[in-house]
This record gives sequence, structure tokens and C-alpha cells, in this order.
Amino acid sequence: KNEVEQSPQNLTAQEGEFITINCSYSVGISALHWLQQHPGGGIVSLFMLSSGKKKHGRLIATINIQEKHSSLHITASHPRDSAVYICAVPKIYNTDKLIFGTGTRLQVFP
Amino acid sequence: DAGVTQSPTHLIKTRGQQVTLRCSPKSGHDTVSWYQQALGQGPQFIFQYYEEEERQRGNFPDRFSGHQFPNYSSELNVNALLLGDSALYLCATAGPQETQYFGPGTRLLVL
Repeated sequence: KNEVEQSPQNLTAQEGEFITINCSYSVGISALHWLQQHPGGGIVSLFMLSSGKKKHGRLIATINIQEKHSSLHITASHPRDSAVYICAVPKIYNTDKLIFGTGTRLQVFP
Repeated sequence: DAGVTQSPTHLIKTRGQQVTLRCSPKSGHDTVSWYQQALGQGPQFIFQYYEEEERQRGNFPDRFSGHQFPNYSSELNVNALLLGDSALYLCATAGPQETQYFGPGTRLLVL
């Protein structure tokens, strides 16, 4: 069993739909990262969160440390949101090597 | 603040050659981690540098080596390149109480 698991693996949506991507982890962590990677591109850090909820534009990330679960929500999805979304957790400390989830490939159609 | 920068952006080498990739951390960051991401795969941890020392290492052969300079920038060196070394090489930097930030990556193609 992977230490960080994401669901779904693939997701398609129509423009405007509300999207949720889930991440569960088994390692003991203090924070979780949500990352975005467009095809052929580098990785962009979207959020790091250790509790509660963070919002940036149409993106919302929540985390429940006790349940070891996080969700990334995209409101009013747009074709430019099409990318791979990855959750990652440091092994122990905030600066520790990251353990990556398998990624969720999102395609938003106009 | 320029954020995390990497150079070069793209690189083509042939088998057996050596390559050096560079990473400049975000201001205030003193920890640099390197990752290899093969096409269609998730990133794999290569090693991490802190205070000019290799602090952690993933499951990569000795052909992969690194260095961190006093200004916290870092280099990744790969010797005796193999076709399988073709990948996107990412560096991520972090500072005390800071989240890790990724650079844009260097795409290496070995022919």
C-alpha cells in the first residue's frame, strides 16, 4: 500500500463543474502539499497546509490531520485547469524529502 | 524574489557523457532537494543538501552526485549518462518553517 494515495486517478469534467480530488496518507506528517503539473511542465506548488482550510482564487484545500485526509476543490472549473494534481507529504519534518501521491489527471472540456 | 530557478531549461546529451544541473533557491531557503521525474511517472527523490552536506539520499547510484555552495545554491552531477537518465530534474528548496517550493525543472534528453 502506498504511503500517499490519491483518488480518482483520472477525472474529466465540463467547464464550470465543481471538482474534488482526495488524498489519504499513512505517514505521520505535519503538513501536506498540493502541487500542479501541466503536460511537459514543471511542478507548481499550490498549497501547503497543516490544518483547516486554505483558499486561493478558485482553489480550496482542506486537511483533517486526525483522519490523515486532504481534499483539493476547484470551483467553476476551466479548461486551463487541465493538469495533473499531486499531493505530497514530507516524511517527517517540513523540509524532509517529499513522498508523492500517484497524481490525478484532470481534463476539463469546454 | 525570483523564487526557485534552475538552469539550463533543456539539455541534450549522449550516452557516456556527464551533465551538471544547477538550482538557485528561493530567498531565505537553505535546504535543497533534487528529484527525478521520468516521463509519465511521479518524482523520485535523489538527495537533499543542507549546510553544504548531503543529508538524505534516495535509491540512486553513485553516478548521481551533488554539491551545495555557501550561498545555498546547488548542483546535480550525473556521470556516465544512460538512456534511462532522460527525465525532468526538479529541485525543491525550503527554509526554516517554510514550505518547499519547486523550480521549473531541467529536461534532460540522453541520446
